[in-house]
Amino acid sequence: AQSVAQPEDQVNVAEGNPLTVKCTYSVSGNPYLFWYVQYPNRGLQFLLKYITGDNLVKGSYGFEAEFNKSQTSFHLKKPSALVSDSALYFCAVRDRTGGFKTIFGAGTRLFVKA
Amino acid sequence: EAGVTQFPSHSVIEKGQTVTLRCDPISGHDNLYWYRRVMGKEIKFLLHFVKESKQDESGMPNNRFLAERTGGTYSTLKVQPAELEDSGVYFCASQGQGLTGELFFGEGSRLTVL
Repeated sequence: AQSVAQPEDQVNVAEGNPLTVKCTYSVSGNPYLFWYVQYPNRGLQFLLKYITGDNLVKGSYGFEAEFNKSQTSFHLKKPSALVSDSALYFCAVRDRTGGFKTIFGAGTRLFVKA
Repeated sequence: EAGVTQFPSHSVIEKGQTVTLRCDPISGHDNLYWYRRVMGKEIKFLLHFVKESKQDESGMPNNRFLAERTGGTYSTLKVQPAELEDSGVYFCASQGQGLTGELFFGEGSRLTVL
């Protein structure tokens, strides 16, 4: 069965420091991988995706993510965190052979302290 | 362009009552999804429409849940009769054509069953 694991419920980082939000997945085939962000009382917003090619993908608001096939991971990163990055982050996967169904993790709350 | 809209934003009902949630996807998006998030847990897939057809309803919890998509436009999700465990935030998302496309989410409908 497909699954997504976000091992940290919360990540705390000081403003200006680099941040990493971890994600590992389990799918039967080669996945499409996504990160979404949710701000309070809002819907999820797309940040970035990995489809094929370069393992390092860049997205909105200075975020990037690295696809590691051997470790089945897709960690979200940003070189310098902002207080405004504080939000709930969701990793998601879609199996290329499994149709359009997208599976989400439980989310990681990022708290950036000034 | 208008985004995905959901109504109501919050509904409080008693056990045994009926609630209908509505989702208006982005115009022209054939794919429409319903998801549910219970506090602190993953965003769980419920079902997927392609136009007016149910493509995948493997995530629907039981026959108390009924989803429809009239004419391939807006969708409704009815819960009848509601149980305590149905409480959570119900998200609707739409997607254009193509397996690699990201989802566009509404702000969610929070359902509280007392």
